[in-house]
Amino acid sequence: DAGVTQSPTHLIKTRGQHVTLRCSPISGHKSVSWYQQVLGQGPQFIFQYYEKEERGRGNFPDRFSARQFPNYSSELNVNALLLGDSALYLCASSVQPGQGAEQYFGPGTRLTVT
Amino acid sequence: GNSVTQMEGPVTLSEEAFLTINCTYTATGYPSLFWYVQYPGEGLQLLLKATKADDKGSNKGFEATYRKETTSFHLEKGSVQVSDSAVYFCALDSGGGDDGLTFGKGTHLIIQP
Repeated sequence: DAGVTQSPTHLIKTRGQHVTLRCSPISGHKSVSWYQQVLGQGPQFIFQYYEKEERGRGNFPDRFSARQFPNYSSELNVNALLLGDSALYLCASSVQPGQGAEQYFGPGTRLTVT
Repeated sequence: GNSVTQMEGPVTLSEEAFLTINCTYTATGYPSLFWYVQYPGEGLQLLLKATKADDKGSNKGFEATYRKETTSFHLEKGSVQVSDSAVYFCALDSGGGDDGLTFGKGTHLIIQP
């Protein structure tokens, strides 16, 4: 079975631009979460979606938004890019949300903002 | 708020040595605890988890016990191999899980033959 897939693999953008990152969860998984991993740090939680509804949001500015589609895939959008947004963006899926749920991560999208 | 503290790396060991990577946490309520591993050039993989006090998670020879009294979840392995070289992350979730996982900064483990 395919794992979590993300696209694109790498992306280079200029400050002020907008970016859209995409994620397809494992088949049968209905919950998707997004994380930002800056080099040398652990991932930081951005959003969690379940059944197309936002279930949780981390401490990120409103420039970050996301949505989940009927097929449970998801998009992360970042507006007005800053240099500090350069990071690895990880998507994780689980069967359903909830404490103790096992989250399975994709390979990530490496975003570089110049 | 929630937080996870891991021992600073890199940790360098010889093959067949005993491994301990310390992890302590601060959380509201009773969190679930996880260890994830990130091999070079690969994504995060769930290694093991524990969901209540005194639970022991285990996988691939690695073990960790949920210690509520010391708020710890230390990762151990009796005999490490070169293939265990990776970055290890301790993580927790709490409050129903809607706030996602809170990760530590990661510990880079290097095993020398």
